[in-house]
Amino acid sequence: EPEVTQTPSHQVTQMGQEVILRCVPISNHLYFYWYRQILGQKVEFLVSFYNNEISEKSEIFDDQFSVERPDGSNFTLKIRSTKLEDSAMYFCASSGDRGTYNEQFFGPGTRLTVL
Amino acid sequence: DAKTTQPNSMESNEEEPVHLPCNHSTISGTDYIHWYRQLPSQGPEYVIHGLTSNVNNRMASLAIAEDRKSSTLILHRATLRDAAVYYCIRMGGATNKLIFGTGTLLAVQP
Repeated sequence: EPEVTQTPSHQVTQMGQEVILRCVPISNHLYFYWYRQILGQKVEFLVSFYNNEISEKSEIFDDQFSVERPDGSNFTLKIRSTKLEDSAMYFCASSGDRGTYNEQFFGPGTRLTVL
Repeated sequence: DAKTTQPNSMESNEEEPVHLPCNHSTISGTDYIHWYRQLPSQGPEYVIHGLTSNVNNRMASLAIAEDRKSSTLILHRATLRDAAVYYCIRMGGATNKLIFGTGTLLAVQP
């Protein structure tokens, strides 16, 4: 069964450093998402991406965040200058179509620890 | 605002049915009801979704009230692997983002 993969599984960085989290969505999917979950808290939507541009983003997704689909398979989330409060699990997801009836497939997550 | 209400936690015994309720009294006519679950230390996983009619798939059944103000996720025979947080999510309008609430933590006892 196809699945979303994410690398690395755990990333440790110093405050102020840039990090890039990588995701490989399911190959024929067209819509891509990033969510995050701070330890013990809810899963929060960050951004959705379609046709090489952001289709929706949350208030969390400020100028420090960016997303890119650099080739036909990868989807990345970059945090330019990490803060302590960026420590969280980051989940990538993909779906085959837009629409309120389509399921999103989630990856296993990248645990980001900012020291 | 998740706009759904679920009990914080529920318990079940293995191999017994589980009924997980969700209230969405302000749901609009075009909002779908989605259920996801999150096993410990894993990403969310799609379970089932529906609009008006009851739905069945290999994982679960979804019973939607006639007025659509509530729904129930039914696991027909709970297993230990079903222990997870279950999220009831409304999806509608022009957005396809998932807004997670706090969900229901399901504990399954052997």
